[in-house]
Amino acid sequence: GENVEQHPSTLSVQEGDSAVIKCTYSDSASNYFPWYKQELGKRPQLIIDIRSNVGEKKDQRIAVTLNKTAKHFSLHITETQPEDSAVYFCAATTGGFKTIFGAGTRLFVKA
Amino acid sequence: SQTIHQWPATLVQPVGSPLSLECTVEGTSNPNLYWYRQAAGRGLQLLFYSVGIGQISSEVPQNLSASRPQDRQFILSSKKLLLSDSGFYLCACGGRGRDTQYFGPGTRLTVL
Repeated sequence: GENVEQHPSTLSVQEGDSAVIKCTYSDSASNYFPWYKQELGKRPQLIIDIRSNVGEKKDQRIAVTLNKTAKHFSLHITETQPEDSAVYFCAATTGGFKTIFGAGTRLFVKA
Repeated sequence: SQTIHQWPATLVQPVGSPLSLECTVEGTSNPNLYWYRQAAGRGLQLLFYSVGIGQISSEVPQNLSASRPQDRQFILSSKKLLLSDSGFYLCACGGRGRDTQYFGPGTRLTVL
């Protein structure tokens, strides 16, 4: 079945450094790739997304890249801040409604 | 944009008791609706999704069921809860032709 693998499961960085989270998907028909941030005890919140006709998208300190050939996509956070500490989920959507989530990456930003 | 309501926010139930969690959506019509469960420190497990009234697809066999009696109402139920049903239950909404799913505030269920 469809699968999304996410790495690393835990990531610790120093404040001001960059963080990169990588995901691989299996369904070549996937065409939409959102990223969610979940703070402790809260709901996942959409932070950025990318569609299959785009290779890169940036929003201030966060960016996402997509390599359709390799079926890889990545989240890049620059100039990390303590408030970036959270669990981040990648996901791949096929057919407009079936979304498969990665297992999540717990990001710690040390002040 | 849509607003998703879930209740209750927290629930503590004994093993073997019934369950009913409700999700309602405002600000959109004919949405796709989803129920996810998140065990402590884990990822999101899709339980059910619905593309219309009375249309329910189940992703994981379990002792849970879902119903969609109205366009913007999605209910998760169980006749007899198990310890393994404990978790954070999230309702999500995706609009027609829009891939993005937005999550409700969730219900934290503890089965003792």
